[in-house]
This record gives sequence, structure tokens and C-alpha cells, in this order.
Amino acid sequence: EVQLVESGGGLVQPGGSLRLSCAASGFSFVNWMHWVRQAPGKGLVWVSRISGDGSTITYADSVRGRFTISRDNAKNTLYLQMNSLRAEDTAVYYCTRDRGWHIHDYWGQGTLVTVSS
Amino acid sequence: DIVMTQSPEYLAVSLGERATINCKSSQTVLNSSNNKNSVAWYQQKAGQPPRLLISWASTRESGVPDRFSGSGSGTDFTLTISSLQAEDVAVYYCQQGYGAVVTFGGGTKVEIK
Repeated sequence: EVQLVESGGGLVQPGGSLRLSCAASGFSFVNWMHWVRQAPGKGLVWVSRISGDGSTITYADSVRGRFTISRDNAKNTLYLQMNSLRAEDTAVYYCTRDRGWHIHDYWGQGTLVTVSS
Repeated sequence: DIVMTQSPEYLAVSLGERATINCKSSQTVLNSSNNKNSVAWYQQKAGQPPRLLISWASTRESGVPDRFSGSGSGTDFTLTISSLQAEDVAVYYCQQGYGAVVTFGGGTKVEIK
């Protein structure tokens, strides 16, 4: 059974940093992986993606230069390092598996990040 | 970036009636390698993560009831629920996977009238 379990969310002050993790199991961790976020009461917004070998990375304009996606294939874990956090980064962050062609076939339960003073 | 415009934002339908959700892309999302439109539809129930319903504009996922269907081509796509059931109350999102930047529609909230 495919499982994606996010962790690392919490309350952080504006300008602070947080590192999210997504532990993957139940499949060979070679797929492209993504982070997608959802602000409270709002829609889905794509954040970033990383190829299976980590060589290709893309970011949304809103996070480029502040967030860094990475993966450790030996640990079957996806990461999102978030720096210079802003109030508008407050959201539930989901990691997703890409079946191919950006089809998000599995989603984690999400981890809530709250940026507030 | 490709913009996905969903309509309506809110839809109230009687049990057993048809629900139709539209999604328009700002440019073509036709994948030339397989001649399929790179559009997916997701269902998100309250307090849950999204669930993939349909990929390639019209391919239903395993386990998805056949009352859900997707159609469309070019820049106009539709998700249809042929006979709305109580368990279909949710927010539905379209998404394009054509460009390097993934984009979602704004969502359509479906409720029972």
C-alpha cells in the first residue's frame, strides 16, 4: 500500500524557517514528487516538483529563492526547506506522488504550517 | 503559466440529478507524445486530502464510480456526475499537467439542493 506521511509543520514567526519531511512507503521511490499547498478555506496551489534522481527541480514563482525541495532516495523521504517564511505561506502542505505527466495519484494527509507572530 | 478557470464556483444539485463542472485552460494542453489532453480531476471531501478521479481528461481511476465521467478537448473540459449521491458532496478541482508549472483550477463546491 502506498503511503505518504508528512511531518515538520507547526507555528513559526515571519522570517523564520521550517523543514517539512514526507516519508514514502509501499512503492519504489523513483517517481517525480511534488509539494502542493492549501491555505485555510482556499484552493490547491502547486509549490514545487523534483525528479526521481533529484536532478530536475521546478518551483512556483511565489516560493522560488525561499524554498528548497530535495529528496533522499536511500531513506525514501522528500523534503521541503522553507526559509524567509511569510504569513501568506500559511497552509496545509501536501506531498504527492507523480505517476507520470504530473498526475498526482497519491497524496499525504498534509502538515499544517502557520506563519504568525 | 497555464491558467485553469473553473465554473461554477458553487453548485447545488438534487440527489439523483446531474452535476456538470467546467474547466477552461488558457492554452492547449494536448500532449503530443500520446495525443491526450493533460487534464486531471480531483475530489476533496471536508478534512481530507484530494483524491484523483480522472486523468488524461477522460480516464477514470480504478475504484471511481462510473457516475463520474470526464470529457473535453482543446481548451474546454468537463467533469460530469451523472446521478449525484450524498457521498459526492465535496470540492472538485481540475488540474493541467502540460507545462513545467502545474496549475489547478479554483475549485467547485458541490452540495445537495
